[in-house]
Amino acid sequence: DTEVTQTPKHLVMGMTNKKSLKCEQHMGHRAMYWYKQKAKKPPELMFVYSYEKLSINESVPSRFSPECPNSSLLNLHLHALQPEDSALYLCASSPHSSGANVLTFGAGSRLTVL
Amino acid sequence: DAKTTQPTSMDCAEGRAANLPCNHSTISGNEYVYWYRQIHSQGPQYIIHGLKNNETNEMASLIITEDRKSSTLILPHATLRDTAVYYCIVRLDSSYKLIFGSGTRLLVRP
Repeated sequence: DTEVTQTPKHLVMGMTNKKSLKCEQHMGHRAMYWYKQKAKKPPELMFVYSYEKLSINESVPSRFSPECPNSSLLNLHLHALQPEDSALYLCASSPHSSGANVLTFGAGSRLTVL
Repeated sequence: DAKTTQPTSMDCAEGRAANLPCNHSTISGNEYVYWYRQIHSQGPQYIIHGLKNNETNEMASLIITEDRKSSTLILPHATLRDTAVYYCIVRLDSSYKLIFGSGTRLLVRP
């Protein structure tokens, strides 16, 4: 299995809703990532987990809450989002950081906040 | 991480080689050059990476200048399916951070 699977593919939510995005990989990778991508812009790094511990938080607002329950799963909990948070959310994983470290990306979850 | 500069857009004819340049004049000795591409509405896809030497795989070739200040990604026989945004990224070998720049939008013409 060489894939990163993201669910749901599409999500529409109101500003008062609580929802979650999910990401799963079975490649034995020990680093997992969340990126946010607005239309016609490059992906922006949000969070990195290394060995199930939060390693990098790129000053992301607290309405985005990541969680890594085990080495195969990564969640992004969403609460009280704003319409400007509408974007494509990309999950990625990689085996390790030292030396060359190739990320494998999922297809993304497209989020619309009404 | 060193910053990269790429042309905003390029085009090439189907079946011809596509040569995508990237400048990374502030690269340091332990930073790798990575290339990813993103086809419309899909996740980025890894293409190739290198440190000092030229590299080739089934998708592309990576040519890095001797001073390492620039590189070129070569798609030897471009197809319509290679139309995508191509990102050149420089990354420390000990860092988890993969930071995307603006990339080059490649259009392959029939």
